[in-house]
Amino acid sequence: DAKTTQPNSMESNEEEPVHLPCNHSTISGTDYIHWYRQLPSQGPEYVIHGLTSNVNNRMASLAIAEDRKSSTLILHRATLRDAAVYYCILRALGGSGGGADGLTFGKGTHLIIQP
Amino acid sequence: EAGVAQSPRYKIIEKRQSVAFWCNPISGHATLYWYQQILGQGPKLLIQFQNNGVVDDSQLPKDRFSAERLKGVDSTLKIQPAKLEDLAVYLCASNLAGVEQFFGPGTRLTVL
Repeated sequence: DAKTTQPNSMESNEEEPVHLPCNHSTISGTDYIHWYRQLPSQGPEYVIHGLTSNVNNRMASLAIAEDRKSSTLILHRATLRDAAVYYCILRALGGSGGGADGLTFGKGTHLIIQP
Repeated sequence: EAGVAQSPRYKIIEKRQSVAFWCNPISGHATLYWYQQILGQGPKLLIQFQNNGVVDDSQLPKDRFSAERLKGVDSTLKIQPAKLEDLAVYLCASNLAGVEQFFGPGTRLTVL
């Protein structure tokens, strides 16, 4: 799987927007960009995914660079409950072959929200 | 809709002992995954099942780890014998054949 690079940690204030960057310079044409987050003492949860166009859902927005070598997860108004580790993951369309589609997690970005 | 259930939530054993973890995926989800998460790292895939068949077990340390999903629903992951390096959270996830994987709360294993 292609590799992603994220900052180890970021800090933001409550009720302000948060922009979490991810670099994936070796992304292939069939790789989707997925974001998961993991709250303390919980399993990861899906946030959003995209291929080329920017995406919005109730949790966040995903901005994808035109060359697809980087992307940014945007939390429009962070709350204390958004404090978590955020993972940027590349996942090929159809998985890695033979139906195998397990996620390859890096270390992620630890997001700290200050009240 | 009930989420992915795992038990126990915590387990403490001594090295060289055996341990088993149980997972009940979301109803109807054909695909089930086991991940190992060592402190400070992201989860690492151990094994993926599609119904009761193994799709990917390339990262499962087969000398001591085993997993089964006999009826295509529940699954168990076993470590026999445990080593100190197995200290981790063991996460189960399931998928209906869409994009999103749904994770359980995990089992935190301590090996003394």
